[in-house]
Amino acid sequence: EVQLVESGGGLVQPGRSLKLSCAASGFTFSNYGMAWVCQAPTKGLEWVASISTGGGNTYYRDSVKGRFTISRDNAKNTLYLQMDSLRSEDTATYYCARHLKGVMDAWGQGASVTVSS
Amino acid sequence: DVQMTQSPYNLAASPGESVSINCKASKSISKYLAWYQQKPGKANKLLIYDGSTLQSGIPSRFSGSGSGTDFTLTIRSLEPEDFGLYYCQQHNEYPFTFGSGTKLEIK
Repeated sequence: EVQLVESGGGLVQPGRSLKLSCAASGFTFSNYGMAWVCQAPTKGLEWVASISTGGGNTYYRDSVKGRFTISRDNAKNTLYLQMDSLRSEDTATYYCARHLKGVMDAWGQGASVTVSS
Repeated sequence: DVQMTQSPYNLAASPGESVSINCKASKSISKYLAWYQQKPGKANKLLIYDGSTLQSGIPSRFSGSGSGTDFTLTIRSLEPEDFGLYYCQQHNEYPFTFGSGTKLEIK
């Protein structure tokens, strides 16, 4: 069974950093692209970033470019999202998703991030 | 960026009925549209991709159609477990973009 489990969420002050992790199991992690998708309270889904199978290619939405870094450790079957210079508008639930050609075919339950002083 | 306009925002129906949800892209995305279901306490679920391809394990009462800019998700013979939020997403190009969602409620 495919499982994606996010961790590392919490309350953080504006301007500070937070690093999310996503532990993957039940499939060959290194064979799949991975993504982070967020959902602000009472809002819809927004794609945040994607990473290729080997980690050599990364893609970001404009609002997080230069502040967020997606990475992966295929030996540990783990996806990461380093979030720096956090803003109040980054407050959201962040979902880890497995993706193939842009289709998110497996999702985690999400990690909640609140940016507030 | 490709804007995805989803309608209706809310939809109320009874078990056994059929419903349709529409998604319009701001430019052609060929066939590259996916549909997802979101329910509280459960992981988001992929229903349809490439416009009309049913994801493995998804009941055949779900179907997708369309290409270019106009797409439709149809659910026939609604079951109680089908009520929830539905999102479309274009997977043709970065940045991937989602529709604003449709809440399917029990009438």
